Amino acid sequence: SQQGEEDPQALSIQEGENATMNCSYKTSINNLQWYRQNSGRGLVHLILIRSNEREKHSGRLRVTLDTSKKSSSLLITASRAADTASYFCATDQTDKLIFGTGTRLQVFP
Amino acid sequence: DAGVIQSPRHEVTEMGQEVTLRCKPISGHNSLFWYRQTMMRGLELLIYFNNNVPIDDSGMPEDRFSAKMPNASFSTLKIQPSEPRDSAVYFCASSSTGGRNEQFFGPGTRLTVL
Repeated sequence: SQQGEEDPQALSIQEGENATMNCSYKTSINNLQWYRQNSGRGLVHLILIRSNEREKHSGRLRVTLDTSKKSSSLLITASRAADTASYFCATDQTDKLIFGTGTRLQVFP
Repeated sequence: DAGVIQSPRHEVTEMGQEVTLRCKPISGHNSLFWYRQTMMRGLELLIYFNNNVPIDDSGMPEDRFSAKMPNASFSTLKIQPSEPRDSAVYFCASSSTGGRNEQFFGPGTRLTVL
């Protein structure tokens, strides 16, 4: 069963704009991760945030986590055409990850 | 490092045939995961191994599916007999830190069952 639900399902923006994706989950977690998947490729790990962290940065990525609301957001600043991909959140359940439904991001040059 | 290697990249077969997907994890990684991705169901974990031992196969859809990991550098996922509804992209992933942390995905095998 899927733990995470991303919102929106699809997002289209122009290069240079910021993109925000949200993830909601159902049960308590130790950490939450974000992955990117380019068309026809495997998933690539972007960032991991632990349950005792509220915000984390990596380059143009900013992730927030609100455990009281069971939600996380991924912000990509100054987007580029190369950021076009699907983005998934994943939450840990015992010894495995449960992936969300994904947000398809399209960045137009 | 070559990353996680999967073969074949594409497989087209007819209903009823046996299909074997292969995976070589990153050297030194002791956890291996098989996922299936479809438009309808998203990314589903089928089975995972720790130190070559199957830990959780609750995601394996039916007895037609089986997975083995005979050694630390090789795993197979077998479907016998295959059905059209098995058509999907199958991913293998590995991790050095168990299932809760960063996983490294292979490029996937796109399976089409006619």
